[in-house]
Amino acid sequence: DTAVSQTPKYLVTQMGNDKSIKCEQNLGHDTMYWYKQDSKKFLKIMFSYNNKELIINETVPNRFSPKSPDKAHLNLHINSLELGDSAVYFCASSQGPLSGPEAFFGQGTRLTVV
Amino acid sequence: AQKITQTQPGMFVQEKEAVTLDCTYDTSDPSYGLFWYKQPSSGEMIFLIYQGSYDQQNATEGRYSLNFQKARKSANLVISASQLGDSAMYFCAMREGPKTSYDKVIFGPGTSLSVIP
Repeated sequence: DTAVSQTPKYLVTQMGNDKSIKCEQNLGHDTMYWYKQDSKKFLKIMFSYNNKELIINETVPNRFSPKSPDKAHLNLHINSLELGDSAVYFCASSQGPLSGPEAFFGQGTRLTVV
Repeated sequence: AQKITQTQPGMFVQEKEAVTLDCTYDTSDPSYGLFWYKQPSSGEMIFLIYQGSYDQQNATEGRYSLNFQKARKSANLVISASQLGDSAMYFCAMREGPKTSYDKVIFGPGTSLSVIP
């Protein structure tokens, strides 16, 4: 079983559309994240949730809205997609602040905005 | 300012040789954690090794070891006996604050390692 799974793996869409990326973890972790990896491979955190509560919200356009229906899921909704949103988006989870230093990553979603 | 610096954008190593990937970091927090992740061409991020700022010994995980020099603020990854499957991007990362703080991991720009047969 995949520990952190994201869907879809590839997403090609037109400018102006709204799209969602789903993420689920079956590790029982408390904390989940969204990272963005740009074309130069630079990885930057976007959001972090702990037990469904937003704890990190980096400077990200408000067109990006994370939603955590429960602690096993963290979805990313993007409104009015722009060309610059093209990137690989990674979901990750970790045990949380008290143990387990490493984060487990999903396989990534390659978003291409045309 | 860059908090994590990886000065080698690309590295080559002969199969079965050892290789060191450099990482320097910048923080004023006395408590922090350092990580290395591997990203093969397939794209997934794979956790390799972790070093806490208060850990007395350098971390090791199989063929991976972390050469932690606190005074120099460096956390170099050493891969012994390189294998073809080690060809990948390698990211150094840091979490500032103690383990009890919520994780905010900052990644370096990465080093692309190519293992030559």
